[in-house]
Amino acid sequence: GIQVEQSPPDLILQEGANSTLRCNFSDSVNNLQWFHQNPWGQLINLFYIPSGTKQNGRLSATTVATERYSLLYISSSQTTDSGVYFCAVETNFGNEKLTFGTGTRLTIIP
Amino acid sequence: DVKVTQSSRYLVKRTGEKVFLECVQDMDHENMFWYRQDPGLGLRLIYFSYDVKMKEKGDIPEGYSVSREKKERFSLILESASTNQTSMYLCAITSRDRGVYGYTFGSGTRLTVV
Repeated sequence: GIQVEQSPPDLILQEGANSTLRCNFSDSVNNLQWFHQNPWGQLINLFYIPSGTKQNGRLSATTVATERYSLLYISSSQTTDSGVYFCAVETNFGNEKLTFGTGTRLTIIP
Repeated sequence: DVKVTQSSRYLVKRTGEKVFLECVQDMDHENMFWYRQDPGLGLRLIYFSYDVKMKEKGDIPEGYSVSREKKERFSLILESASTNQTSMYLCAITSRDRGVYGYTFGSGTRLTVV
């Protein structure tokens, strides 16, 4: 099956810093999503981004499908950005099953 | 907003017990999913369902079964709980908005099998 690798596994930053999280996948995908899991375990969908670039406030994401990677950018980090960020891909069109990466744990220090 | 409710936040069960994890959605969504989350492994799909009484195996179905008798409720069943099933269990639904779909997760059930 498809492999989804995320880097770095852990990231510790000072409040106000910018960060880039990377997701590499081993095969063609129909769908790619980024999620944030807060320290209480709740998973929130950030972006649905099979290709191209999207922005939402301080967060933006870019997927280059032909090169099989996606990037999540977080600018001007805040402590509320802490948590685990997951990338997940769908490989079979329409079945909505996602394969998740192992995540990047982001810790923002005040 | 879509709401996905998991009945228990924390659960402790004994080895060999039959365990039911319940997930209820408040909208008329067809697709429902059960994942488990373990450190270093991300989320892995156990079972999913596209409609009432329909179920399909995910990547790690061994030791689990599911039930979907009503559209709004999707239950995960551990027939005989074992310690290697200690994990965080997450239920999810998919919804569509203007042709784009997204996942909504419940808040999770942290199960400990002793």
